[in-house]
Amino acid sequence: AQSVAQPEDQVNVAEGNPLTVKCTYSVSGNPYLFWYVQYPNRGLQFLLKYITGDNLVKGSYGFEAEFNKSQTSFHLKKPSALVSDSALYFCAVRDMMNSGGYQKVTFGTGTKLQVIP
Amino acid sequence: EAGVAQSPRYKIIEKRQSVAFWCNPISGHATLYWYQQILGQGPKLLIQFQNNGVVDDSQLPKDRFSAERLKGVDSTLKIQPAKLEDSAVYLCASSAGLAGGDTQYFGPGTRLTVL
Repeated sequence: AQSVAQPEDQVNVAEGNPLTVKCTYSVSGNPYLFWYVQYPNRGLQFLLKYITGDNLVKGSYGFEAEFNKSQTSFHLKKPSALVSDSALYFCAVRDMMNSGGYQKVTFGTGTKLQVIP
Repeated sequence: EAGVAQSPRYKIIEKRQSVAFWCNPISGHATLYWYQQILGQGPKLLIQFQNNGVVDDSQLPKDRFSAERLKGVDSTLKIQPAKLEDSAVYLCASSAGLAGGDTQYFGPGTRLTVL
C-alpha cells in the first residue's frame, strides 16, 4: 500500500529566509509525487510534480522540490520565503506500479507554513 | 481556461437531511474526482469517474453517499441522510486522463456543516 508522511504540522520561517517543507513516501514501485498548496477557504492549487528524469523539479511561485529515491523523500523548498507563501501545503503520491488495477493519489495530512514578517 | 466549478460554496443542514453538491470540471477533462477533506486532514478520495464510468468508489459510504456523472461532464454528489461526521469540505477535481502523472486540478470546494 502507498502512503505519504508530512512529519511537521507547522513550519515557521522568517520572511526572506529559505524554507523547507518535508515529505516522505512509501510505494511498491516508483512514485509519482505532487505538491499542492491550499489557501484559506480555497481548493488545492497545483505547485509541481515529479514523474521521471531530473531529481530537482521547479514549479510555480519559485518553489522547487528534490526527489531523493534513497531517502524516499520529496521535500518542498524555496530560497526566499514571502509572507504570501503562508498557507497549507500537501504532498501527494501515486504508485507507478500498476498490478492490474489503478492507483489513486494519496495525500499527506498537510503542513501549515507560517512566514513571519 | 476556466477552472473547476463547484456549487454551493457553503451549506448548513441538520442531521438526517439530504444535500447535493454540483461540480463542473475543466473542459475536455475525462477524469473527475470527489474528495472529502475533514478539518486538519488531507483530502480523501470518495469516488473517481472516467467519463461517465466509475473507476474507484472503494471509500464511498454507499449507504448514504451517491454520485453520478451521467453525460461524462458535470457531476453531482449526494448525501442522504447526513450525519454529524459528514461535516467537511467536499472537493471536486478533474484531470485530463487516467495517466499516473496527470495533474489534478481542484475546485474551490463546498463546506458542509451538519448540525
